[in-house]
Amino acid sequence: EAQVTQNPRYLITVTGKKLTVTCSQNMNHEYMSWYRQDPGLGLRQIYYSMNVEVTDKGDVPEGYKVSRKEKRNFPLILESPSPNQTSLYFCASFSNYGYTFGSGTRLTVV
Amino acid sequence: AQRVTQPEKLLSVFKGAPVELKCNYSYSGSPELFWYVQYSRQRLQLLLRHISRESIKGFTADLNKGETSFHLKKPFAQEEDSAMYYCALKAGGYNKLIFGAGTRLAVHP
Repeated sequence: EAQVTQNPRYLITVTGKKLTVTCSQNMNHEYMSWYRQDPGLGLRQIYYSMNVEVTDKGDVPEGYKVSRKEKRNFPLILESPSPNQTSLYFCASFSNYGYTFGSGTRLTVV
Repeated sequence: AQRVTQPEKLLSVFKGAPVELKCNYSYSGSPELFWYVQYSRQRLQLLLRHISRESIKGFTADLNKGETSFHLKKPFAQEEDSAMYYCALKAGGYNKLIFGAGTRLAVHP
């Protein structure tokens, strides 16, 4: 089954403790992206990757890092999380048909 | 600037009533428009894209370039249609999707 898999689904952490949210897709898509979803703001793009070793900032990249060492994986890294990064995060990969989204990761930073 | 506007945060209707979720966009080129749906606690799913002109779950949407709109319509709402609906714009040659803030549709029995 074609899918985008994110882990974990839920995460509570403390300010400043580095964390990584993993994302993997099995569709051999070149383009992948991370979004955060906040009430009243919709989804905003954090980072995207057009292919292996090619990444770029989206609209809200501050406080985040990504890497794309292989086509299937696109982890999101928060080096020093802060409470304003509490949000629902979605990974997505793109084909000509459109985006396929992961199930989301609800992150709470206390 | 590229922008998607969904003016209604919440649309509340009774079962069997017609539904129209509004979406307006701002983009100077030739846009691709999408509607995504998010049921409670689930991932976003593609509902419609304007270039396919299909009807999914009874929903349709027509791109009106003159009014820069892509409103989502359904003649008879069902309770299972209750969800969050996002309009999105894919601008130009990039794969980035620009989302509206979303409209929550609540269909009451």
